[in-house]
Amino acid sequence: AQSVTQLGSHVSVSEGALVLLRCNYSSSVPPYLFWYVQYPNQGLQLLLKYTTGATLVKGINGFEAEFKKSETSFHLTKPSAHMSDAAEYFCAVQNQGGKLIFGQGTELSVKP
Amino acid sequence: DAGVIQSPRHEVTEMGQEVTLRCKPISGHNSLFWYRQTMMRGLELLIYFNNNVPIDDSGMPEDRFSAKMPNASFSTLKIQPSEPRDSAVYFCASSPRGEAVSFGLFFGSGTQLSVL
Repeated sequence: AQSVTQLGSHVSVSEGALVLLRCNYSSSVPPYLFWYVQYPNQGLQLLLKYTTGATLVKGINGFEAEFKKSETSFHLTKPSAHMSDAAEYFCAVQNQGGKLIFGQGTELSVKP
Repeated sequence: DAGVIQSPRHEVTEMGQEVTLRCKPISGHNSLFWYRQTMMRGLELLIYFNNNVPIDDSGMPEDRFSAKMPNASFSTLKIQPSEPRDSAVYFCASSPRGEAVSFGLFFGSGTQLSVL
């Protein structure tokens, strides 16, 4: 069965600093991996996804994530944080049947 | 495209009342999912449909919860009778199928349910 663990329920960075949100997954089959962002009082929005091919995936708003099979990780990064990046971020793994399993979420705060 | 549309946006009801949440998926999407989000439990998958057929309802908490998808453009999640512990944000999401299973989900804005 697939599962997702996000390390750190809350991450705080300064504006302009590197953003690193950690995600580890467990899957018995090649995973489809996703990062979603949720702004206050809104639904989740897809940031980026990994299915097959290139392991470094670029998404919207300058975010990217790297699939590392040996480490079973899919960490999300952004070189320089903006105030507008403050939100909750969810890592997810999707099985072949289309069921999406979410991590517990990481709330990102950006300090001026 | 209007995206996934959920109604109502907010619902306040009293314990014991019936609650019906509604969802219109994106046109052409064949899979529909209902999720519940709470602080304590995070995002939980309640049920999902493929081509209007329920595939996995193992996440439905108990018999008080039921979901239907009478056609490709409409789904409901019903709670009867409602209880205070059902208070949460309920999200509907849709996804294309086939080779597009890797497309991920498109979420609605959610229904904030408060049961007093």
